[in-house]
Amino acid sequence: EAGVTQFPSHSVIEKGQTVTLRCDPISGHDNLYWYRRVMGKEIKFLLHFVKESKQDESGMPNNRFLAERTGGTYSTLKVQPAELEDSGVYFCASSQGRVYNEQFFGPGTRLTVL
Amino acid sequence: QKEVEQNSGPLSVPEGAIASLNCTYSDRVSQSFFWYRQYSGKSPELIMSIYSNGDKEDGRFTAQLNKASQYVSLLIRDSQPSDSATYLCAVNTRRDDKIIFGKGTRLHILP
Repeated sequence: EAGVTQFPSHSVIEKGQTVTLRCDPISGHDNLYWYRRVMGKEIKFLLHFVKESKQDESGMPNNRFLAERTGGTYSTLKVQPAELEDSGVYFCASSQGRVYNEQFFGPGTRLTVL
Repeated sequence: QKEVEQNSGPLSVPEGAIASLNCTYSDRVSQSFFWYRQYSGKSPELIMSIYSNGDKEDGRFTAQLNKASQYVSLLIRDSQPSDSATYLCAVNTRRDDKIIFGKGTRLHILP
């Protein structure tokens, strides 16, 4: 069974540019999550999809971040315009959503904003 | 007070010894507890889940949960150099599905 995949693995952009990150969850997992780790900090929750619906977006930093999950399959996270403080590693995770909600993580996208 | 606290380490343990990693959490309604292992530059890998008070064993790993003390631990028996990594404690509450992570403990197994 393929795991969670993310693209790109690295992205270097300049302040003010736009970047779109993609996540493909494990097949059959209705729940998809985005997390972020900035330098020196813990991994923090951004948002949660159940199929194509946003269940919880309480962790999204501001309206420069837009997440979508068309058709309930893969998800994209767009940052527009990017700021220096957006640099970090963006992880995607998916789960079957059973009672105990074990989440499986992708390899992450390392975003550097110059 | 941080929601999930771990000692950042590094924790150095001789090969073959028992490594003990500890974690405390602040939210009493937490119901699911996870240990993830993360090698440098890689994704967090789920290695243990525990939901009830007591011990849960899986191979060389034992997770221990004490809800009254709000304390979770991970024991690694017969430590190997390949166990050298950062271990992340993570907690899920009943309120929502998000996982709250600690900053992680760096473990170094000395050959």
